[in-house]
Amino acid sequence: AQSVTQLDSQVPVFEEAPVELRCNYSSSVSVYLFWYVQYPNQGLQLLLKYLSGSTLVKGINGFEAEFNKSQTSFHLRKPSVHISDTAEYFCAVIMYSGGGADGLTFGKGTHLIIQP
Amino acid sequence: DSGVTQTPKHLITATGQRVTLRCSPRSGDLSVYWYQQSLDQGLQFLIQYYNGEERAKGNILERFSAQQFPDLHSELNLSSLELGDSALYFCASSVGYGRMGETQYFGPGTRLLVL
Repeated sequence: AQSVTQLDSQVPVFEEAPVELRCNYSSSVSVYLFWYVQYPNQGLQLLLKYLSGSTLVKGINGFEAEFNKSQTSFHLRKPSVHISDTAEYFCAVIMYSGGGADGLTFGKGTHLIIQP
Repeated sequence: DSGVTQTPKHLITATGQRVTLRCSPRSGDLSVYWYQQSLDQGLQFLIQYYNGEERAKGNILERFSAQQFPDLHSELNLSSLELGDSALYFCASSVGYGRMGETQYFGPGTRLLVL
């Protein structure tokens, strides 16, 4: 079974500062990796995903993430945050095999708080 | 707007009752997923349907059931409701059944309150 650990439940950052949201996963089989964002009172929106190939993945709104297989991590970064980035961020994995894939397994989420 | 619609937006009911949540996937998507988001359990995968057939099962209680109809919309039925079933229920859809890492597009959710 796979699991996802988001190491920080809350991350306060000043506006225009860089940020890194940490995510580690465990799985005995290959996985696909995702970052979703949830703005207040809304559904989840995909920021980016890693399927294969280059370990640095670029997403929407200036976010990027790096897949590190040896450390089983998929940390999310942004070089300069904006007030509008205030939201809950979820790391997720999906296990895949020849027969198909299961649903997304989510971490507990990290609340990104942007301070002016 | 993801293109996934869910109704109703809010639902208030009493313990012991039964409710039905409805989801319409994005045009062209064959898979529908249901997730539950609660404060104590976080976001949990419940069940997946692909083109009318159950494809994968997660942490879905026996009191809960789902189906996907020929027009591909899906319904999640929750029965014998308990206080702990109060949560936000999300529906998501994707083109395939996940083997290729297809993006799941989430609806706005149905907020269920059991009193």
